[in-house]
Amino acid sequence: QVQLQESGPGLVKPSQTLSLTCTVSYGSISSDSYFWNWIRQHPGKAPEWIGYTYYSGNTYYNPSLKSRVTISVDTSKNQFSLKLSSVTAADTAVYFCARSFEAHKMDAWGQGTTVTVSS
Amino acid sequence: DVQMTQSPSSLSASVGDRVTITCRASQTVNNYLHWYQHKPGEAPHLLIYAAANLQSGVPSRFSGSGSGTVFTLTISSLQPEDFATYYCHQSYSAPFTFGPGTKVDLK
Repeated sequence: QVQLQESGPGLVKPSQTLSLTCTVSYGSISSDSYFWNWIRQHPGKAPEWIGYTYYSGNTYYNPSLKSRVTISVDTSKNQFSLKLSSVTAADTAVYFCARSFEAHKMDAWGQGTTVTVSS
Repeated sequence: DVQMTQSPSSLSASVGDRVTITCRASQTVNNYLHWYQHKPGEAPHLLIYAAANLQSGVPSRFSGSGSGTVFTLTISSLQPEDFATYYCHQSYSAPFTFGPGTKVDLK
């Protein structure tokens, strides 16, 4: 059964770039059936979809974050990554990676990683 | 963006109770509506996809219904492991959006 695990710094300074990686285990990121998503959740709020990548490198981003987001895939490492630039305290959240397919139902998720933006 | 709302925002229930959660979309999402269960510190789990389809491995006490803009998740007989927060999610229109969640706790 596929497993996803987020990793990266838990603390990022304002104006810097947040960088997270999602490692996919027991499944291939190169499958043409799946999309690989990033979602974040501020405390007490609805999850917010950030965007997804496909194994080919094609991406689709939430317009609200598009100017600051890059999602990339590394098929050799079976990983995909999130970069969010020019962060502020408003980017403090729990960040999840997830797999989606068939109408973008998200059938596998990581546990989430907390990122705090603070000096 | 499609705005998703859920009601109630929280509920207290007992083991064995029937629980119903409602999700509303600000515009039609056809049946591209999915439900997830999330417990603190764990990965969220897909319960229901395409409004009414039970994800493999999910107990049959979970069911979903609805189409268009109004959807429901029902737990027919609440079990101890079902105390969690439940989210709806629409994937009909990008950007995909989620409801704010319904927390189910022990009465």
